[in-house]
Amino acid sequence: GNSVTQMEGPVTLSEEAFLTINCTYTATGYPSLFWYVQYPGEGLQLLLKATKADDKGSNKGFEATYRKETTSFHLEKGSVQVSDSAVYFCAARENTGFQKLVFGTGTRLLVSP
Amino acid sequence: GAVVSQHPSWVICKSGTSVKIECRSLDFQATTMFWYRQFPKKSLMLMATSNEGSKATYEQGVEKDKFLINHASLTLSTLTVTSAHPEDSSFYICSAREDRKSSYEQYFGPGTRLTVT
Repeated sequence: GNSVTQMEGPVTLSEEAFLTINCTYTATGYPSLFWYVQYPGEGLQLLLKATKADDKGSNKGFEATYRKETTSFHLEKGSVQVSDSAVYFCAARENTGFQKLVFGTGTRLLVSP
Repeated sequence: GAVVSQHPSWVICKSGTSVKIECRSLDFQATTMFWYRQFPKKSLMLMATSNEGSKATYEQGVEKDKFLINHASLTLSTLTVTSAHPEDSSFYICSAREDRKSSYEQYFGPGTRLTVT
């Protein structure tokens, strides 16, 4: 089955700093890839996704590119805000059967003013 | 749109008792629902997948007699933790999906914190 590895947190940044959260996956096929965000006290929300190699997902200033050659889907943002403080989960979805999601361990981002 | 609710948001129960957690899709019909368990500082672990009107499919290592899942309608799935023990204390999250849509996107509930004393 699929598995997802993402960098340990917490990641602590000052406002307007550049963000990278690494994510790599292993899969037998070609999964769809996702980043979810979980704000304190809330459920997971889809942040962005990519369904095939070289696709770039983007939303709210965040971007991630599906790199098949490195099996990676790193999350980036050029200038973080305090409101971006949350836990970020990378996930892979098999494209057969139940289309189940497999999550990474989550990375907590703390942005200070 | 695409809102999923869970009830209760937190619950404390005594060891040996059972507790039921509800997951509802509020504005769409959820043909498939998923139940996850999230440990502190750990990822979400899929427990089971349920389709409306049929038995749930449990992941390896999940006791189906302990974690009873019922998906009786297109808007409601329940997870019952039977004979709960302190090691069942965790954060339980459901998600729902409308399979008519080819995106197969899952919408997540806010989670239920279970504490077994």
